[in-house]
Amino acid sequence: DIVMTQSPDSLAVSLGERATINCKSSQSVFYSSDNKNYLAWFQQKLGQPPKLLIYWASTRESGVPDRFSGGGSGTDFTLTISSLQAEDVAVYYCQQYFGTPQTFGQGTKVEIK
Amino acid sequence: QVQLVQSGAEVKKPGASVKVSCKASGYTFTSHGISWVRQAPGQGLEWMGWITYYNGNPSYAQKFQGRVTLTTDTSTTTAYMELRSLRSDDTAVYYCARERDPFARSSLDYWGQGTLVTVST
Repeated sequence: DIVMTQSPDSLAVSLGERATINCKSSQSVFYSSDNKNYLAWFQQKLGQPPKLLIYWASTRESGVPDRFSGGGSGTDFTLTISSLQAEDVAVYYCQQYFGTPQTFGQGTKVEIK
Repeated sequence: QVQLVQSGAEVKKPGASVKVSCKASGYTFTSHGISWVRQAPGQGLEWMGWITYYNGNPSYAQKFQGRVTLTTDTSTTTAYMELRSLRSDDTAVYYCARERDPFARSSLDYWGQGTLVTVST
């Protein structure tokens, strides 16, 4: 199984400041045949299902604010919130859909400082 | 609009089975796969398996092989997840989620509201 490891487990950021979450996979999730990284980011607020933010590592889902951005390739990825808003308080998960089973990171809790 | 509506909460005894449904609407059901993901209380997300109409057999995480069965009913555009031989550590919220891209492995863009399954004596 591909193991996804996120860092940090939690972070507290002031409103308007940048938040960065890292995600590392135990093997590459880049598929050379279609030149895509099979990596997604989700946001989960308390009591709600996960919400897709980013797919193919860097493509923002429709309707997601542009303060959310994804980057990286191969085994190392980042999710950046450029200017944290109060409504961004949530747990964030990375997920690889390259291999079976699909696997998630353990989650990163983002709070307001 | 795309919607996935799941069946209601269940309480089961250890050793029993549970079958959760996921009614899909707003898109061509047979073009997109459905994954099942569970989340134990206060824990992270765990992928259980995936079923597509276009790709034949369902695919399961090894952890659940032999205990879970994923099916679909195209006449009612409903997906089902049956989990057998329930244990207390199967207590979780179970989600269905749609694959974003038709006819291809892709991320999960729409999710059901979740079904709480509680396993308790």
